[in-house]
Amino acid sequence: NAGVTQTPKFQVLKTGQSMTLQCAQDMNHEYMSWYRQDPGMGLRLIHYSVGAGITDQGEVPNGYNVSRSTTEDFPLRLLSAAPSQTSVYFCASSYSLHVSPLHFGNGTRLTVT
Amino acid sequence: LAKTTQPISMDSYEGQEVNITCSHNNIATNDYITWYQQFPSQGPRFIIQGYKTKVTNEVASLFIPADRKSSTLSLPRVSLSDTAVYYCLVGDPNNNDMRFGAGTRLTVKP
Repeated sequence: NAGVTQTPKFQVLKTGQSMTLQCAQDMNHEYMSWYRQDPGMGLRLIHYSVGAGITDQGEVPNGYNVSRSTTEDFPLRLLSAAPSQTSVYFCASSYSLHVSPLHFGNGTRLTVT
Repeated sequence: LAKTTQPISMDSYEGQEVNITCSHNNIATNDYITWYQQFPSQGPRFIIQGYKTKVTNEVASLFIPADRKSSTLSLPRVSLSDTAVYYCLVGDPNNNDMRFGAGTRLTVKP
């Protein structure tokens, strides 16, 4: 049981490049979400999903796309990276969001130059 | 969404009890209160969750007064390894938009 797995751990992009941050969980959790965390700040919700085929926006969705084709995977896509997207990205999952805790991955540190 | 307010930082010494209070004045009837702990370069980790009165587990206690407009996370006999950021979240079962605030940075000194 690996929990929530994020890849890659580190990534450097040039402005305008695209990439996908991967997130997979093996706990059969319906709820998954992506957060970003900037230095010295709390986590901000980007997108979330309550099940396969269902996604919704959080507080900072601009510049990011998500899809949820399976229960296990919830990739985050940056279509045209900008320096403002330099951050640490965390993926999380939960069996039932408000009565069971969020399980977090170890994060992806992204730098956009 | 119920907004939460926590102190930005707190200092303590090893062996002391630490209480971190979170204000959530507009908490709704269905909202649960959840606390997470985050170490540098790691994702947050669940500590405790409650709805009312007192909840205790092996690492912490959570005190929630009758009006539920605040909650207090209590860490007994802290050690240096409890130095971390602690987040209070208030979540509505009817709303899946789970947002974190800035958290409280706890520093435990020897």
